[in-house]
Amino acid sequence: DGGITQSPKYLFRKEGQNVTLSCEQNLNHDAMYWYRQDPGQGLRLIYYSQIVNDFQKGDIAEGYSVSREKKESFPLTVTSAQKNPTAFYLCASRGMSVTEAFFGQGTRLTVV
Amino acid sequence: KQEVTQIPAALSVPEGENLVLNCSFTDSAIYNLQWFRQDPGKGLTSLLLIQSSQREQTSGRLNASLDKSSGRSTLYIAASQPGDSATYLCVLSGANNLFFGTGTRLTVIP
Repeated sequence: DGGITQSPKYLFRKEGQNVTLSCEQNLNHDAMYWYRQDPGQGLRLIYYSQIVNDFQKGDIAEGYSVSREKKESFPLTVTSAQKNPTAFYLCASRGMSVTEAFFGQGTRLTVV
Repeated sequence: KQEVTQIPAALSVPEGENLVLNCSFTDSAIYNLQWFRQDPGKGLTSLLLIQSSQREQTSGRLNASLDKSSGRSTLYIAASQPGDSATYLCVLSGANNLFFGTGTRLTVIP
C-alpha cells in the first residue's frame, strides 16, 4: 500500500546534539512538507520541497535543515541551534496540486 | 495570504446528536479542501477530499460541503459517537502550500 512513513515515532535528544527525523513516501509525490506542532497549537511550516534537489524555508526554519536528494525522501535535521526543539513533528506529501495530501503519523521529539 | 478559521474551537455534544463544524477561508483560489481528524499525539487521518470544482462529498456518516464563492466549508457528522471525539482540521491546497484551519476539538459524551 502507498503511504508516507515517519520514523522514529519517539526520539530523545540531549542538549547540543543534532538529530535527524526520517520521512519516506512511496506515493510518487513531488511535494513534501515538514510541520511542527506544539501542545494545543496549530501546525507551523518548517520547510517544504516541490522537487528533488530543491527546498524552501517555511515560517519557522531557523535551527532546522533538510535535504531532498531523492523524490521519496525528505529528512529533517534538528540542529543544536534550535533552542526549543521539543515538539511533535509531522511530514506531509502531495502530488499535483489537485490531489489529496497525505500525512505521516508523526515523530515526538523530546530534549532530555 | 490565505487565512483559515474554524468555528467553534471546541464542541461537546451528547452521543447521537448531529453536528456541524465550520471552516472559512479568505482566498477562493484553492485546488481542493480536505477534512482531517487528529487524535491526541497522532498524525492526521484524511476524512474527505473536495476538489475545487465540487460542492459536496459524503463518506458514511460524514458529509462535507464547499462553497468557494462565500469562502466556506462545513463538515456534517450524523449520529455522533464517542469514537468521533478528536480534533478536526480543514486543510486547503494552494499552488505551493497547504493552509491549515485552527481546528475544532470535538468531544462526544456517552
